[in-house]
Amino acid sequence: ILNVEQSPQSLHVQEGDSTNFTCGFPSSNFYALHWYRWETAKSPEALFVMTLNGDEKKKGRISATLNTKEGYSYLYIKGSQPEDSATYLCAFETSYDKVIFGPGTSLSVIP
Amino acid sequence: EPEVTQTPSHQVTQMGQEVILRCVPISNHLYFYWYRQILGQKVEFLVSFYNNEISEKSEIFDDQFSVERPDGSNFTLKIRSTKLEDSAMYFCASKERGPYQETQYFGPGTRLLVL
Repeated sequence: ILNVEQSPQSLHVQEGDSTNFTCGFPSSNFYALHWYRWETAKSPEALFVMTLNGDEKKKGRISATLNTKEGYSYLYIKGSQPEDSATYLCAFETSYDKVIFGPGTSLSVIP
Repeated sequence: EPEVTQTPSHQVTQMGQEVILRCVPISNHLYFYWYRQILGQKVEFLVSFYNNEISEKSEIFDDQFSVERPDGSNFTLKIRSTKLEDSAMYFCASKERGPYQETQYFGPGTRLLVL
């Protein structure tokens, strides 16, 4: 059974703090790793898609890294702002077009 | 900016009834997906669809579920005889090419409540 894990489950940080969370995924049948940002009552918003071991992607204050050999990805947020408060989902895409989501990390940024 | 749309936003139905959830993917996208999230649980993959056929489905996607692309724009999920445990938020997603490096764009979801 393919399983994707994320930690921590939830996180509270002060505005201006930098933070990071982890996604663990199977190392077999890997095709791509997706990160999504999901605010309440909205649809998940794509942040990054990564496919190659060692990939690093950056979007503003948010960046992500990928290690396919050991099966983990990190998402970093530098200088957290209240508008970063959301649930961050990672999703593992297999080589046969199936996508498995992790349970998410809920981030609250306190002004 | 193009977006995926879904209708209805909310649906309440009686157990045993059929429901059809509708999605309009982004127009030049070729790959389509349905996901669901039962309240308090993970987002779960249901099915992927390409070239007018299912390319992959999960264990959840049993004979009660079907998908269709009846015309050039709509992508539907049908649940033939709804059960209480089908109550969930259902998300449609689409992507342009695939499977490499293409982002899936999600719709706003349909909240289904089975009574």
